[in-house]
Amino acid sequence: AQKITQTQPGMFVQEKEAVTLDCTYDTSDQSYGLFWYKQPSSGEMIFLIYQGSYDEQNATEGRYSLNFQKARKSANLVISASQLGDSAMYFCAMRESGNAGNMLTFGGGTRLMVKP
Amino acid sequence: DTEVTQTPKHLVMGMTNKKSLKCEQHMGHRAMYWYKQKAKKPPELMFVYSYEKLSINESVPSRFSPECPNSSLLNLHLHALQPEDSALYLCASSQDGGRVGGEQYFGPGTRLTVT
Repeated sequence: AQKITQTQPGMFVQEKEAVTLDCTYDTSDQSYGLFWYKQPSSGEMIFLIYQGSYDEQNATEGRYSLNFQKARKSANLVISASQLGDSAMYFCAMRESGNAGNMLTFGGGTRLMVKP
Repeated sequence: DTEVTQTPKHLVMGMTNKKSLKCEQHMGHRAMYWYKQKAKKPPELMFVYSYEKLSINESVPSRFSPECPNSSLLNLHLHALQPEDSALYLCASSQDGGRVGGEQYFGPGTRLTVT
């Protein structure tokens, strides 16, 4: 079974609107971390936001927030007030505590396209 | 400073060549990683170095040989590659091995083409 599932291969959003990118995960660990990365066409993976499994509040970083629903095992990324520069590939990733070497498990990604 | 640098940005090599990819970070991170990423796919982990020792090799063919000369540098030596090895090679680093919350910072990648 896939550990990280991103069900939206591609999405469009109008500039200045909010958009939610879905991510569900599968783990039996109690302690784990969830990450979102942005990858523009240039190739660099840019760290956006982190949510720990024990964090009670949803993480926020500027225009990015993470809608963490532990019981449903979902960690959706919300981008508010979309900008043209937000057009990129977005990856959800997880690190489990039982996992040696800090391995990140990535989802398949969602390509976001912001329309002017 | 959260910068990871990689050189070269682009590399074209023949199947009989030997080349090296370089990665550098000055954030004091003690874990460094090599990933391979094919087009429209997520990154796939190749190697992990923790405190300058190889801790994970994800069954990578021996034509890829990693090296960690010191805590700031990571190399990937390439020899006798195949055309299917053409990909974006990403280097990353993180603080240490213990915490689930240690985010990895990635470099801009090297786009490798094997002819």
